[in-house]
Amino acid sequence: NAGVMQNPRHLVRRRGQEARLRCSPMKGHSHVYWYRQLPEEGLKFMVYLQKENIIDESGMPKERFSAEFPKEGPSILRIQQVVRGDSAAYFCASSPSASGFYNEQFFGPGTRLTVL
Amino acid sequence: AQSVAQPEDQVNVAEGNPLTVKCTYSVSGNPYLFWYVQYPNRGLQFLLKYITGDNLVKGSYGFEAEFNKSQTSFHLKKPSALVSDSALYFCAVRSDRGSTLGRLYFGRGTQLTVWP
Repeated sequence: NAGVMQNPRHLVRRRGQEARLRCSPMKGHSHVYWYRQLPEEGLKFMVYLQKENIIDESGMPKERFSAEFPKEGPSILRIQQVVRGDSAAYFCASSPSASGFYNEQFFGPGTRLTVL
Repeated sequence: AQSVAQPEDQVNVAEGNPLTVKCTYSVSGNPYLFWYVQYPNRGLQFLLKYITGDNLVKGSYGFEAEFNKSQTSFHLKKPSALVSDSALYFCAVRSDRGSTLGRLYFGRGTQLTVWP
């Protein structure tokens, strides 16, 4: 059973470009979470999605950032008009469909975004 | 609001000695507590969790953690450290109340170094 897959692993963008990060959850998981890790800091929650629904996006900046988890295909975190402050590691996690508060989240390897 | 504190940025211990990585938390409602480990340029790996029941929880790679409700702590322990345990450790909490049910709140992390 493959783990959580993220691609690309490394992404370099110039200021003003768009960044598109992909996440495929573990098989049988329909809950997806995105977190951002800045240097020397812990992970900060961004958004929680289920298939075709955004459950909680309160951790995501209201401008330039968007996320989706379509019925088919991976979850996408999209950052428009990137700025240097967006440089960070972005982690995706998933949890089982019958998710409860007690379920751990399984993390992908992350996408390291560098904005030049 | 939910929060996690890891009071030590770094913990150094000699191989074969016991180790403790500290974590305290603040949460409304019942806490669900997790420990993760992160190796360089990798995602987070789940170690163990406390949901309910026995206050001493055993997890992967010989790690255990003790839940203390009165002190709101969930310290990670291992009786005999290995050099291969050297990594970044994160404590996380989840609440069963409020509008932020899905997210994990992470501490800033503790860098564990085990000396040979």
